[in-house]
Amino acid sequence: EIVLTQSPDTLSLSPGERATVSCRASQSLKTSYSSPLAWYQHKPGRAPRLLIYGASTRATGIPDRFSGSGSGTDFTLTITRLEPEDFAVYYCQQYFNSPRRTFGQGTKVEIK
Amino acid sequence: EVQLVQSGAEVKKPGATVKISCKVSGYTFIDYFMHWVQQAPGKGLEWMGLVDPENGETIYAENFQGRVTITADTSTDTAYMEVSSLRSEDTAVYYCATGGVLDYWGQGTLVTVSS
Repeated sequence: EIVLTQSPDTLSLSPGERATVSCRASQSLKTSYSSPLAWYQHKPGRAPRLLIYGASTRATGIPDRFSGSGSGTDFTLTITRLEPEDFAVYYCQQYFNSPRRTFGQGTKVEIK
Repeated sequence: EVQLVQSGAEVKKPGATVKISCKVSGYTFIDYFMHWVQQAPGKGLEWMGLVDPENGETIYAENFQGRVTITADTSTDTAYMEVSSLRSEDTAVYYCATGGVLDYWGQGTLVTVSS
């Protein structure tokens, strides 16, 4: 089973600051096409929202302040300037062994 | 517009069975697997398993093998997730999700297991 480990568990930041969330896979997710790694935003009482897929492709309607990067075992979600609505929990998810999926444990981005 | 509408909250006693539905619209049901994801209180998202609506084949995560049954009814474009022998640890919000990269999600169903 592929294990995804996110860091940090909690990120305390102010609006306007930059957020960087890391996701490390227990084995390489490298394929001949884009890396099978997605990022989701989750707010209390709401359904998770797809932000990024293929490690770096923004989903439809996602603002360009969200970006994803990385390959192999190390991936990063960056939010360049935090807006009030960006405070939430963020999860990475792999689909390397699709259709099976696994999620990282989540990173809470909270208001400092 | 793709929509996944889940059934309402449930309160069950330990040992009971719960069955949650997820009715889809806006796309062809058999085109994508239907996944189920659990979020227990204070915990993260955990992938439970999936069903291929086209043929009913299922795959379960190891933690959910045995007491969880996922099915699909193509006559009503509805997927189901059943948990038997409920325990307090099954108290959680359960989501259905679909699409190539799980881009579409239901609103979630809260299941509370309490005596």
